[in-house]
Amino acid sequence: ETGVTQTPRHLVMGMTNKKSLKCEQHLGHNAMYWYKQSAKKPLELMFVYSLEERVENNSVPSRFSPECPNSSHLFLHLHTLQPEDSALYLCASSQDWRTSNSGFEQYFGPGTRLTVT
Amino acid sequence: RKEVEQDPGPFNVPEGATVAFNCTYSNSASQSFFWYRQDCRKEPKLLMSVYSSGNEDGRFTAQLNRASQYISLLIRDSKLSDSATYLCVVNLETDRGSTLGRLYFGRGTQLTVWP
Repeated sequence: ETGVTQTPRHLVMGMTNKKSLKCEQHLGHNAMYWYKQSAKKPLELMFVYSLEERVENNSVPSRFSPECPNSSHLFLHLHTLQPEDSALYLCASSQDWRTSNSGFEQYFGPGTRLTVT
Repeated sequence: RKEVEQDPGPFNVPEGATVAFNCTYSNSASQSFFWYRQDCRKEPKLLMSVYSSGNEDGRFTAQLNRASQYISLLIRDSKLSDSATYLCVVNLETDRGSTLGRLYFGRGTQLTVWP
């Protein structure tokens, strides 16, 4: 159904753990995004990659570290997280806005529900 | 000031009703507009893009008023399956002068359609 997959779907980790979230898109897009969605808050953009280059980092704490090895894969490496980092982490992809004439609607993966204990 | 503002609702309507959601955006340089739908504990899914002339997709009609910086979504003949949160989404031009695929999301308007 969706062209964007994320693993794991659920993750519980302690504050001293290191884990990684994975995102893969099968839509032929060349821009990928990480968002955070906390309860009763709008989606917050964390990182933007276009053509595998990080374009934007919205002042996200360094305990979140993205990696984009190619246009189909995106990772979010997590370490020493805080309980307030518990949220739904969503990956999205789109056509690069600089090369697309048909708009750049973003398509989301199902998300990873993260709980930090 | 929030970039995108929506009435959070909730809207509770009977099947068959017509319901309208409104959204305002703060930056007049906004270029693209969308409505997304998000079911409980699921990811947002694109419902429709919003074009300057207004557009319709079945029971859904979207309107854009650039002068008032206002977007609307009208749902006719509501179905139980329309129950979800509807997100108003706006693309803003960056201050670097180039359009960035950055989307600003409203908090969403919750809709419940009851039998």
